[in-house]
Amino acid sequence: EAAVTQSPRNKVAVTGGKVTLSCNQTNNHNNMYWYRQDTGHGLRLIHYSYGAGSTEKGDIPDGYKASRPSQENFSLILELATPSQTSVYFCASGDQGQNTEVFFGKGTRLTVV
Amino acid sequence: GEQVEQRPPHLSVREGDSAIIICTYTDSATAYFSWYKQEAGAGLQLLMSVLSNVDRKEEQGLTVLLNKKDKRLSLNLTAAHPGDSAVYFCAVSPSSGSWQLIFGSGTQLTVMP
Repeated sequence: EAAVTQSPRNKVAVTGGKVTLSCNQTNNHNNMYWYRQDTGHGLRLIHYSYGAGSTEKGDIPDGYKASRPSQENFSLILELATPSQTSVYFCASGDQGQNTEVFFGKGTRLTVV
Repeated sequence: GEQVEQRPPHLSVREGDSAIIICTYTDSATAYFSWYKQEAGAGLQLLMSVLSNVDRKEEQGLTVLLNKKDKRLSLNLTAAHPGDSAVYFCAVSPSSGSWQLIFGSGTQLTVMP
């Protein structure tokens, strides 16, 4: 079964601090994605990657960086966390091309105080 | 860019009744359409997906209809049961390049016994 694992599952951070959200997939998928989920907005794409070493900006990249050091791992980095980044973050993986399923992790609830 | 609107935001039905969720999209070149289910505290799970050459797809009590003329996608749960209670999202992808999913804002479905 396809697996996407996020860590941590919950995080409280202070304003101005650095936060790293980690994602690991065992699907051998090329594509990985970071979304945030906020009430009334559905899921919005922050960054994505086509493979190791690649990162691309999604629809709302400001305030976030991403890192894809390997096929399996994709991190989301908040260098200077702000309260507006309080949200639930989802990582996902999928193969190239359409008509292929995208698999989601269980989410990370981040609170910035 | 593509805009996706989903309605209703909340839907409450009795067990055995049907539940219909609708999404409208703006880009006539949209090529891939999908529905996801999110149970409390969990990630998103793909329910069904169709390409733009499919008007109707039925699987296990679920019916997806695609009206390309009106740019409307719907999900019909034909005989809902309490286990269907969850948040449902539509997600679409344009035909060009980057294989990004654009999500609707979600529908909280409650099925009462």
